[in-house]
Amino acid sequence: DVKVTQSSRYLVKRTGEKVFLECVQDMDHENMFWYRQDPGLGLRLIYFSYDVKMKEKGDIPEGYSVSREKKERFSLILESASTNQTSMYLCASSLGIAGSETQYFGPGTRLLVL
Amino acid sequence: SQQGEEDPQALSIQEGENATMNCSYKTSINNLQWYRQNSGRGLVHLILIRSNEREKHSGRLRVTLDTSKKSSSLLITASRAADTASYFCATANAGNNRKLIWGLGTSLAVNP
Repeated sequence: DVKVTQSSRYLVKRTGEKVFLECVQDMDHENMFWYRQDPGLGLRLIYFSYDVKMKEKGDIPEGYSVSREKKERFSLILESASTNQTSMYLCASSLGIAGSETQYFGPGTRLLVL
Repeated sequence: SQQGEEDPQALSIQEGENATMNCSYKTSINNLQWYRQNSGRGLVHLILIRSNEREKHSGRLRVTLDTSKKSSSLLITASRAADTASYFCATANAGNNRKLIWGLGTSLAVNP
């Protein structure tokens, strides 16, 4: 079974802090994704990566950056956390391109920015 | 941008009943996927149906796709309390297959 793990289930940070969310998958998937999920807004794609060191903006990249130095790891960085970044963050991976393949999700990180 | 729209937004049924959720979308698609999310957890893939398919089954799940109406339905038969979850559809546009576009989900409650 594919396993996608995220570094924290719950995280509390202060406004202005730099925040790192880590995601690791163990199935050698090419593609990895970061979403945020908010009530009434559904899942929104922040960034995705289709190969090591490659990244592409999703629908809401502002205020975020990503890093993919190794195939199995995809990090989401909040350069200076703000209260409007309080959300559930979900990482996912897929073997092929998103539209053709199942996405496997991690358990999510619930981030609270105070 | 959100493309899929599920309805109803919320559904409450008794154990043993069938549950039907619908998803509508706006543009031509390559395929449509359904996912389940238990409360506060990650999403789990249920079924992928391609644009040239009309119906697909997996256990107690039945998915239909009507590309002429740009809609899909997910039927869960003989529901169980463990089916209580939110259900999302996601589409891959014919013009951009590299990311999924998600609906807002249907929240299903199955009462024992």
